[in-house]
Formats: sequence, structure tokens, C-alpha cells
Amino acid sequence: SQQGEEDPQALSIQEGENATMNCSYKTSINNLQWYRQNSGRGLVHLILIRSNEREKHSGRLRVTLDTSKKSSSLLITASRAADTASYFCATQPYTGGFKTIFGAGTRLFVKA
Amino acid sequence: GAVVSQHPSRVICKSGTSVKIECRSLDFQATTMFWYRQFPKQSLMLMATSNEGSKATYEQGVEKDKFLINHASLTLSTLTVTSAHPEDSSFYICSAAEVSNSPLHFGNGTRLTVT
Repeated sequence: SQQGEEDPQALSIQEGENATMNCSYKTSINNLQWYRQNSGRGLVHLILIRSNEREKHSGRLRVTLDTSKKSSSLLITASRAADTASYFCATQPYTGGFKTIFGAGTRLFVKA
Repeated sequence: GAVVSQHPSRVICKSGTSVKIECRSLDFQATTMFWYRQFPKQSLMLMATSNEGSKATYEQGVEKDKFLINHASLTLSTLTVTSAHPEDSSFYICSAAEVSNSPLHFGNGTRLTVT
């Protein structure tokens, strides 16, 4: 079962622009993670933000988490054509263990 | 970094045959592995949680007799699609985590086509 929704479903931008993707979830969580998937490949972990954190940065990535609204956002700054991929948020519910539930994903296309 | 190897990457089989997919954690021990299924342009749907030394935990709607999971060691989990049919054609991805409350490491997936 999927945890929640992501928007937009698809996003097309020019190289150099910023890309913002949003994610909502339904249950209490231990952490929220963002992953990237290139077509036909496995997923690559980008960033993990814990439930007691509000913002986290990694290179050109900025993630925010609002547990009161059960939502998160991923910002990719100064996008590049190589950023073209699908991006998924995923949550580990507050039930212990590693079980990870994925959102619907955002397909990002960065035009050179 | 932690590496998960999944094999085969692609398999084509005839309807009615069984297919086994292997998932190995190469440089860490994984007491728990996860199997996901992904349809084109869709998200990952969790199929089951594979626990070393015990029975897998299946998500609602997933047939455990259809998708057999064996977690024989701390580094190997297998998914066997039994009596495959064309509707089983999909992208299957395994993952594992080293410790709780940490990111998952994914295999590169297996593209199954049943003819």
C-alpha cells in the first residue's frame, strides 16, 4: 500500500531552474526519505530526514518536513539535465523496524 | 557504501513456468529485506518483508503461494514467482537496510516478462 501522494506527478523545467516536489503522508513516522530512480533501474537514496528535524541540506538538495501537516518537500536547485529522473518520497512508519512505504513519485524532466 | 546485488536483471519465461530472483547484500548483513513490485510509470508497491530464519510477511492482496520468499541467510533472499502468467510481468526490486531507522539499499531490479 502507498503511504501518500506526491505532487506534481510530472514536472518539466529548463536547466538551471529550481525544481520543487511535494509529498504528503498519512501515518506517524520515524523518518522520511527521498529516492531517485532512473528509468528501469533501482532506487538511489538521496536524503533522510528524521521526524524531529525540520530541514536538511545535501549539496543542491534541500528537504523540509512538517509533521503537523504530514508533508515534506524536496527542492533541487540549479537543476541539470542529468537530474532527469523519477523522485519518490518514502516513509518508515512509527511502528518500528525498516518497513518503508513509497509515495506515487514525481517524474522530473530537465531540458538542456 | 552498502551494496545490494539482484539477479537476474532481465528474464523472459513462458506462461506456467517458475522464475527465481535472487537478492544479496554484498558487504553487510541484512536480517530484513523487502520485495517491491513496480508497474510502468508507477510507484513501488511493497509485496512482502523477508525475515532471515522465519516466514515472510506479505502485504494485503499479495498471494504468498504465488510469490514464494525464502531468506536463507543474512545476505540472501530469494523471490520465486510460481506458475507465472502474463499479468505477473513487472519490475521486481529488492532492498535491504543495515539498521532500523536508516535508508534502504536497493538492487537494480529484475524485469520479468511472461509470454
